Amino acid sequence: KQEVTQIPAALSVPEGENLVLNCSFTDSAIYNLQWFRQDPGKGLTSLLLIQSSQREQTSGRLNASLDKSSGRSTLYIAASQPGDSATYLCAVLNSSYKLIFGSGTRLLVRP
Amino acid sequence: GAGVSQSPSNKVTEKGKDVELRCDPISGHTALYWYRQSLGQGLEFLIYFQGNSAPDKSGLPSDRFSAERTGGSVSTLTIQRTQQEDSAVYLCASSPIPGQQNSNQPQHFGDGTRLSIL
Repeated sequence: KQEVTQIPAALSVPEGENLVLNCSFTDSAIYNLQWFRQDPGKGLTSLLLIQSSQREQTSGRLNASLDKSSGRSTLYIAASQPGDSATYLCAVLNSSYKLIFGSGTRLLVRP
Repeated sequence: GAGVSQSPSNKVTEKGKDVELRCDPISGHTALYWYRQSLGQGLEFLIYFQGNSAPDKSGLPSDRFSAERTGGSVSTLTIQRTQQEDSAVYLCASSPIPGQQNSNQPQHFGDGTRLSIL
């Protein structure tokens, strides 16, 4: 059974810091890995999607890496801003086309 | 429409009542997904539609839960004889194409229906 774990559960940093969020998964048989952002009371916004054959994806200040063999992904946020404050969720699309989610990292960027 | 639309945004009902939640996916999206987000449980998969059929219903928590999709578009999630443990945010997502070809297509989520059972 696929399990997805995210560390840390919560993170508070001052504005301008670079930071790394971690995600690990137990079954490497995945189609892709996705990072989402969730603001309070809202749905999920897709940030980056890495297909199983890829190693990383970049969008603006965000960079996500995937090491399928070790079951790990990281989301790197450069020059963090208060507007980055949200919950970040990692999810893997498994062989049954289900997205299996981690429990998320709550990020607070302090002005 | 511009995005996935869910209604109602909030629903409060008494234990034992039936509720119906609606999802309007992005126009043209073939795949539709329902998830539940509970405090302390995280996000869990409920059901997946490919067109109007549901190849995978394994995530539905009990036989009180059912879902249907008509015309390859709107989907409804019905919970019968609601219980307090059904209180959660129910999220719907859609993506352009189903199955393995979906691997490079992110799922687009609605804002969810917050269900509270008294």
